[in-house]
Amino acid sequence: AQKVTQAQTEISVVEKEDVTLDCVYETRDTTYYLFWYKQPPSGELVFLIRRNSFDEQNEISGRYSWNFQKSTSSFNFTITASQVVDSAVYFCALSEKGVNTGKLIFGQGTTLQVKP
Amino acid sequence: NAGVTQTPKFRVLKTGQSMTLLCAQDMNHEYMYWYRQDPGMGLRLIHYSVGEGTTAKGEVPDGYNVSRLKKQNFLLGLESAAPSQTSVYFCASSYRPEISHSYGYTFGSGTRLTVV
Repeated sequence: AQKVTQAQTEISVVEKEDVTLDCVYETRDTTYYLFWYKQPPSGELVFLIRRNSFDEQNEISGRYSWNFQKSTSSFNFTITASQVVDSAVYFCALSEKGVNTGKLIFGQGTTLQVKP
Repeated sequence: NAGVTQTPKFRVLKTGQSMTLLCAQDMNHEYMYWYRQDPGMGLRLIHYSVGEGTTAKGEVPDGYNVSRLKKQNFLLGLESAAPSQTSVYFCASSYRPEISHSYGYTFGSGTRLTVV
């Protein structure tokens, strides 16, 4: 069965600190996709990244970077030099190609608070 | 280009009342989904649809019904609202999985429902 675990419920950092949000997933499918979404206080879901199971290259986008490791079933998200605007709830999610329903399975979310 | 539109954005219901949440998308997506978001539990799939006229149960379907009479609309109904259905509801849409993972998922802005 597919499952996504975000063990960190809440994280609080001071501005300019680096912070890593953990995501561990479970799946039996060999082809799957991993996502990160940001939910700012306004409530909408903002897409950040999608990674397929065949691409283990790490990705960097500005202050954001993602580390995908199939060996440990993890897809961690790091924010470098955090800013107050990064304060939000972050969700990791999994979709399995074999299921063919397109369902996204979400983790519980990590609330990040960046203090000035 | 509106994307995914949810109506209403807010609603307060009394226990036992019924209501319908409307989700409309203008991207010609085949697949549509209803999720509910509760604190500490992430987003959980209620029902989904893989095409016009089809619906299927997700993770937490009890107390809800859905219909997809038109490709662009996905309705979520509560026949007899209960306080346990107090939540934020998100609708999403996507292309078929074989291409949705390239184009991702589009989420609505959410409906905040309170049942008193």
